[in-house]
Amino acid sequence: QSVLTQPPSVSAAPGQKVTISCSGGSSNIGNNYVSWYQQLPGTAPELLIYDTDQRPSGIPDRFSGSKSGTSATLGITGLQTGDEADYYCVTWDLRLSAYLFGTGTKVTVL
Amino acid sequence: QVHLVQSGAEVKKPGASVKVSCKTSGYTFGASAMSWVRQAPGQGLEWMGWISAYNGNTNYAQKFQGRVTMTTDTSTSTAYMELRSLRSDDTAVYYCARPQGSSWWGDYFDYWGQGTLVTVSS
Repeated sequence: QSVLTQPPSVSAAPGQKVTISCSGGSSNIGNNYVSWYQQLPGTAPELLIYDTDQRPSGIPDRFSGSKSGTSATLGITGLQTGDEADYYCVTWDLRLSAYLFGTGTKVTVL
Repeated sequence: QVHLVQSGAEVKKPGASVKVSCKTSGYTFGASAMSWVRQAPGQGLEWMGWISAYNGNTNYAQKFQGRVTMTTDTSTSTAYMELRSLRSDDTAVYYCARPQGSSWWGDYFDYWGQGTLVTVSS
């Protein structure tokens, strides 16, 4: 497996919660940290979550990360229009000795 | 403050080469590493490779091996990515990204360059 699988899109109304899944395997998510990135249209990705569940300074606690087995999840609560973006998960694959990126998920605020 | 500033957009013909630079500031470049990630129009992110600015060790994604060379210049705190034998499907925005974390490869990318659009067209 050379890619992590994410749902193409998720949507919810303002103030609601969305979760984005990231499915991998034992050589990647199962044995390594996961990070998550937000990419607003026309801009570079920005780190949202590192070490699976840690937030960099300046990232609101509306964003959270978790992992179970070979899948990781990004949660966004209190959804805002400014959260409309593409979101990517990333981890290292021990078998490939390479970073794997998720397929990306577009979040739409209804 | 950490900054990664990339070189400007490039237009190349098929078969040509392109070299993108990523000038860094605000941290000890020589003790770090750099990764390169690209994004084709309307597509997702794709990791290309990694270079240690400390000792020049590289790790290229299998897809790009033989066609990509990553280098660093510690005197100017700049990383470079050269891609050869360009094809139309190499048209993409190329990003440099600083790996960080406890593992030797870096567990995450905490800072990114602004991106460099490379267009390959005859």
